[in-house]
Amino acid sequence: NAGVTQTPKFQVLKTGQSMTLQCAQDMNHNSMYWYRQDPGMGLRLIYYSASEGTTDKGEVPNGYNVSRLNKREFSLRLESAAPSQTSVYFCASSGPDRVYSNQPQHFGDGTRLSIL
Amino acid sequence: SQQGEEDPQALSIQEGENATMNCSYKTSINNLQWYRQNSGRGLVHLILIRSNEREKHSGRLRVTLDTSKKSSSLLITASRAADTASYFCATGPLGSGTYKYIFGTGTRLKVLA
Repeated sequence: NAGVTQTPKFQVLKTGQSMTLQCAQDMNHNSMYWYRQDPGMGLRLIYYSASEGTTDKGEVPNGYNVSRLNKREFSLRLESAAPSQTSVYFCASSGPDRVYSNQPQHFGDGTRLSIL
Repeated sequence: SQQGEEDPQALSIQEGENATMNCSYKTSINNLQWYRQNSGRGLVHLILIRSNEREKHSGRLRVTLDTSKKSSSLLITASRAADTASYFCATGPLGSGTYKYIFGTGTRLKVLA
């Protein structure tokens, strides 16, 4: 009963390096999301995928790219990491119904990313 | 900008007391949800209240929604040390046509044993 699994849990990068954060869900959900959480800012939506094959920008997409690899997996890529991207990143999913936001989201435990 | 703003930012109470936290939002909504986040963990969904509902209960949780004031409150009765966490409201904006949720900045609750 894994739910939403994120890897890695912790990562330290140097400015300019790239990396991909992985997320997988086993609940047959259609929708998946990537958020970042910064102190005093709450959660901010980076990208989301309403269904397999579609992705859309959220509130803070600059510096990130995403891939909805299949229904289960949604990855977030930092092409050239910057110190401003130091944050905790959360993946979430919701579904299975194709209804707008009237469904709870299920979250992973996050990836703590530090960029030096 | 944040849609939801929780109040207070932090709350400290004794075990057994009730805890009330509030959420205000700016635009019309489809629904409002409350989540709990334990330290170092992801958010866990607690309760969803739709825009046409005024009150909802789930165990020791009671949520109210006043759409005229664009506000919601979460009441935790007979609090326990295990309720120590941050609590967030999240709104599904009306007519957004998307799956976007907007989260508030959270209330940090500490329940003292």
